[in-house]
Amino acid sequence: TQLLEQSPQFLSIQEGENLTVYCNSSSVFSSLQWYRQEPGEGPVLLVTVVTGGEVKKLKRLTFQFGDARKDSSLHITAAQPGDTGLYLCAGATGANNLFFGTGTRLTVIP
Amino acid sequence: KAGVTQTPRYLIKTRGQQVTLSCSPISGHRSVSWYQQTPGQGLQFLFEYFSETQRNKGNFPGRFSGRQFSNSRSEMNVSTLELGDSALYLCASSFGRIGGNTIYFGEGSWLTVV
Repeated sequence: TQLLEQSPQFLSIQEGENLTVYCNSSSVFSSLQWYRQEPGEGPVLLVTVVTGGEVKKLKRLTFQFGDARKDSSLHITAAQPGDTGLYLCAGATGANNLFFGTGTRLTVIP
Repeated sequence: KAGVTQTPRYLIKTRGQQVTLSCSPISGHRSVSWYQQTPGQGLQFLFEYFSETQRNKGNFPGRFSGRQFSNSRSEMNVSTLELGDSALYLCASSFGRIGGNTIYFGEGSWLTVV
């Protein structure tokens, strides 16, 4: 099974700080997705990265796909309380399989 | 357009009972996948249905089953419930297979087994 390890598992920071979440695997993925899940809701897709080395920016969020397509990172600049939630990465192996990471629970304290 | 709808949102069952959860996908989506989410194990894949056929199955016992109807609506069933089955069950839909398409999650069904 393709195992996606996320680190850290828990992160509590003050508003305005920067942070990085990592998603690592020994498997190669055709694409990698990041989701955010808020309490009481299902995960919502933030971004999909496809090309090794690809960097995508979504306002204060920067996503990077590793050159070898085995890992990814999510960097948040100047975190806000609205960023609080569970962040999940998910790797796809072709069109038929999607594997979710272990999750990072972020709390941003006002 | 309407999102993915799951029913019921909350339910409490007793050990040994069975439960059926329902998922209505986004109109036009043909793939429905199911996931179990718990604090200890995270988000785990149960199975995917596409065009009424189970295409993938996760590492869960045979007590967990599902089906998909011709209108793409899906149900999952858990028989002989155990305390460890208490979890948030999420359904997601996509136009095509889950690896190659964006998937959209419902809000989930919270199952508590007592």
